[in-house]
Amino acid sequence: SQQGEEDPQALSIQEGENATMNCSYKTSINNLQWYRQNSGRGLVHLILIRSNEREKHSGRLRVTLDTSKKSSSLLITASRAADTASYFCATAPNSGNTPLVFGKGTRLSVIA
Amino acid sequence: EAGVTQSPTHLIKTRGQQVTLRCSPISGHTSVYWYQQALGLGLQFLLWYDEGEERNRGNFPPRFSGRQFPNYSSELNVNALELEDSALYLCASSADRGLGEAFFGQGTRLTVV
Repeated sequence: SQQGEEDPQALSIQEGENATMNCSYKTSINNLQWYRQNSGRGLVHLILIRSNEREKHSGRLRVTLDTSKKSSSLLITASRAADTASYFCATAPNSGNTPLVFGKGTRLSVIA
Repeated sequence: EAGVTQSPTHLIKTRGQQVTLRCSPISGHTSVYWYQQALGLGLQFLLWYDEGEERNRGNFPPRFSGRQFPNYSSELNVNALELEDSALYLCASSADRGLGEAFFGQGTRLTVV
C-alpha cells in the first residue's frame, strides 16, 4: 500500500521559478527520502532527511519534515528545464523488515 | 563503481507465458528490492531480499516470486502472465536494510500482449 502521498499530482512552472512539492505519510518513520525519475527510467536519490531533522539543503533543493503533521516538502529553487521529471517521496518506517514505501509522485514540467 | 544493472531492458511476452527478470546489485550491497511501476503510476513494492533471505513481500499474487543468490544478485519470476502485468519492473539495492539510500537500476519494461 502507498505510504506517502505527493501533492500536487502535476505541476507546471516557468524556468527560474521555484517548485514546491508536498508529501504526507501515515506511520512513524526512521527517515524520509526524495527521488527523481526521468521518463520511465530508474529513480535517482536526491536527499534523505531523518526523523529528528527538520530541514535539509542540497544545492537547489530544500527539504522540510514535520513529524507532528506527518508531512514533508521538497522545494526546488530557480528551476531549469532539466528539472522536468517525476518526483517521489519514500518513507523508511521504524518497524523492522519494512522496505521503502513510495508515494505516487508529482510530475513536474519546467517550461523554458 | 558499477551501478545496479537489470536485464533485459525490454521484453514482450504473451499472456500465460512465464518471465524471469534479473538484477545485479552494487558491489557490497546485500539488500535487493523489486518494485512494479505501471504506466504513469507510483511504485508498488513487490519483494525484498537480504542476505539470501526473503525479508518482506508486497501484496502480489504467488505467481510473482524470486530469489537471491549467494553473490546477492536476484531474479524475479512471474508465471502465468496477465495483461495487467505490463509495467516497468525496477530493482534497487542498498547497504543498510531499507533505512538508507536505495540505488535503482534502469528497469525492465515488460509488455504482455
